Amino acid sequence: SQTIHQWPATLVQPVGSPLSLECTVEGTSNPNLYWYRQAAGRGLQLLFYSVGIGQISSEVPQNLSASRPQDRQFILSSKKLLLSDSGFYLCAWSTSGDQPQHFGDGTRLSIL
Amino acid sequence: GQQVMQIPQYQHVQEGEDFTTYCNSSTTLSNIQWYKQRPGGHPVFLIQLVKSGEVKKQKRLTFQFGEAKKNSSLHITATQTTDVGTYFCAGPVGTYKYIFGTGTRLKVLA
Repeated sequence: SQTIHQWPATLVQPVGSPLSLECTVEGTSNPNLYWYRQAAGRGLQLLFYSVGIGQISSEVPQNLSASRPQDRQFILSSKKLLLSDSGFYLCAWSTSGDQPQHFGDGTRLSIL
Repeated sequence: GQQVMQIPQYQHVQEGEDFTTYCNSSTTLSNIQWYKQRPGGHPVFLIQLVKSGEVKKQKRLTFQFGEAKKNSSLHITATQTTDVGTYFCAGPVGTYKYIFGTGTRLKVLA
């Protein structure tokens, strides 16, 4: 069966520090991969999606970036975090664009 | 751009009462998905509706897709405390992504 792993679960970072969040999927090949951010009590904002290795589509201009170095690995990065980057970051995968998305457990990021 | 709105934003019900959340899209959708997010958790896929006027049931949950494929609803009969959470609808945008609705947060009072 397919599983998605996302870590860390919780992260506290100072303003201006770098960020790297990793997501890996097991049990499937060539998944569509997604990064979302959710502010407290709010909806899901799509940040990036990828339909293949090295293919990244950015949805919202910001100081975040994403990379997909391997088929089932998706990384969210920042060179310098801002206070506004705080939130709940969720990785998700699907078999194709019109299929259900399966989410990881998420990373709660607090910026101090 | 395309928008997906849900009402109400919040709903508090007594355990045993019914609950309905409505989802409205600014554009016609080829399909619609529903997700549930428990407090502190991640969204979990519930169901996908594809056909105009489609109605699907999952135990106490009834999902409906509007005839014009621009709206949908989720109805829960006789709510239980396990139904607590935020319910999101999501509609496709282009080929690869979905736009999620604003969500309805359900609180069930025992």
